[in-house]
Amino acid sequence: AQKVTQAQTEISVVEKEDVTLDCVYETRDTTYYLFWYKQPPSGELVFLIRRNSFDEQNEISGRYSWNFQKSTSSFNFTITASQVVDSAVYFCALGHLYNFNKFYFGSGTKLNVKP
Amino acid sequence: DGGITQSPKYLFRKEGQNVTLSCEQNLNHDAMYWYRQDPGQGLRLIYYSQIVNDFQKGDIAEGYSVSREKKESFPLTVTSAQKNPTAFYLCASRAGLAVYNEQFFGPGTRLTVL
Repeated sequence: AQKVTQAQTEISVVEKEDVTLDCVYETRDTTYYLFWYKQPPSGELVFLIRRNSFDEQNEISGRYSWNFQKSTSSFNFTITASQVVDSAVYFCALGHLYNFNKFYFGSGTKLNVKP
Repeated sequence: DGGITQSPKYLFRKEGQNVTLSCEQNLNHDAMYWYRQDPGQGLRLIYYSQIVNDFQKGDIAEGYSVSREKKESFPLTVTSAQKNPTAFYLCASRAGLAVYNEQFFGPGTRLTVL
């Protein structure tokens, strides 16, 4: 079964705090991709990152970083020194090789960054 | 600028009416998708199309219909058979069908049934 779980429904932080959004996935495939998307209040999902199942290197992009651990089936997303503009709903998604039109989205984590 | 447009942004429908949501892309993408988003839930796939004149049902196709007569356009009709149509609808496209191809999303249409 393919499944993505984002257990944190909503998180509130004060600006400049660091925050980690959790993503746990289930799959029997050996080849798969994981994605993170940001959905600001405007509604449009914006692609942030993809990671394939064979690349466990962590990635940093400015204030954003991602920690992929196959041993725990997790692909967590950390925002360092959060800003009000980071307020959004963040989705983790799983895509797999053999059904390339099907993406499994988590239920999303709403991040509120307060000034 | 390349992107995906959806119209209208807000749509109100009376029970028993069919409504059509527009989705247009100028990214030259072959694949297009329709998702439904309900509060506190992830995106659920309604229909997708890999090429013109071809489309496939997703996980929750009942009560919906689509067409793909042009590469740029993938309209979604919400029929009266859809029992609970109030939701946020997102259209997406992809440059290719490789698993690593991310999706590009439109701004969405919020449908409310009165």
